[in-house]
Amino acid sequence: SAVISQKPSRDICQRGTSLTIQCQVDSQVTMMFWYRQQPGQSLTLIATANQGSEATYESGFVIDKFPISRPNLTFSTLTVSNMSPEDSSIYLCSVGIQGTSSYNEQFFGPGTRLTVL
Amino acid sequence: DAKTTQPTSMDCAEGRAANLPCNHSTISGNEYVYWYRQIHSQGPQYIIHGLKNNETNEMASLIITEDRKSSTLILPHATLRDTAVYYCIVRVYRGGADGLTFGKGTHLIIQP
Repeated sequence: SAVISQKPSRDICQRGTSLTIQCQVDSQVTMMFWYRQQPGQSLTLIATANQGSEATYESGFVIDKFPISRPNLTFSTLTVSNMSPEDSSIYLCSVGIQGTSSYNEQFFGPGTRLTVL
Repeated sequence: DAKTTQPTSMDCAEGRAANLPCNHSTISGNEYVYWYRQIHSQGPQYIIHGLKNNETNEMASLIITEDRKSSTLILPHATLRDTAVYYCIVRVYRGGADGLTFGKGTHLIIQP
């Protein structure tokens, strides 16, 4: 298993500004992911955070809007740039555990609740 | 990954078994059935997964039909803390190597 923490837990931001969300894992993991959950909706995968290389983005998400860093195997950041009210969502970090006997495939952080005014 | 269909919401009395259905009629032979749940204001939590045999763990049981076109997640003795959105996901087992595709899920409400 893995314990994941995110900072900040919530924030209220003004439109046009940027916010960087941090994700910290208590053990080294290969795969880290970022998701968005818009109000009343399900989760949507934003990107895979690759250690030592550029993130892999899903359709509809671009690096200029959601730059991601992954400097090591326990930490990643997601920046929401030039925010608008439509970016108001919960942003979640998750990690994938490969090949464990427990087959617990992915663990999720508690999320960061972002409100853009 | 195969498409899944789940009821939008379900109610269950506390202490009774909660049976959550999932239809995945286009599932292919190498795709597993996974269940996650999301309690309000928390991140999703893995529950169980299976390929074709029924599976049981400390949280739940997973019953997969013989033709694998549908499955049922069973919470044997539901408590109020089991109120959550339950997601059925069908995908090839990749050991956590890529992200998950979430549908709308079933909002299970446990009634006292």
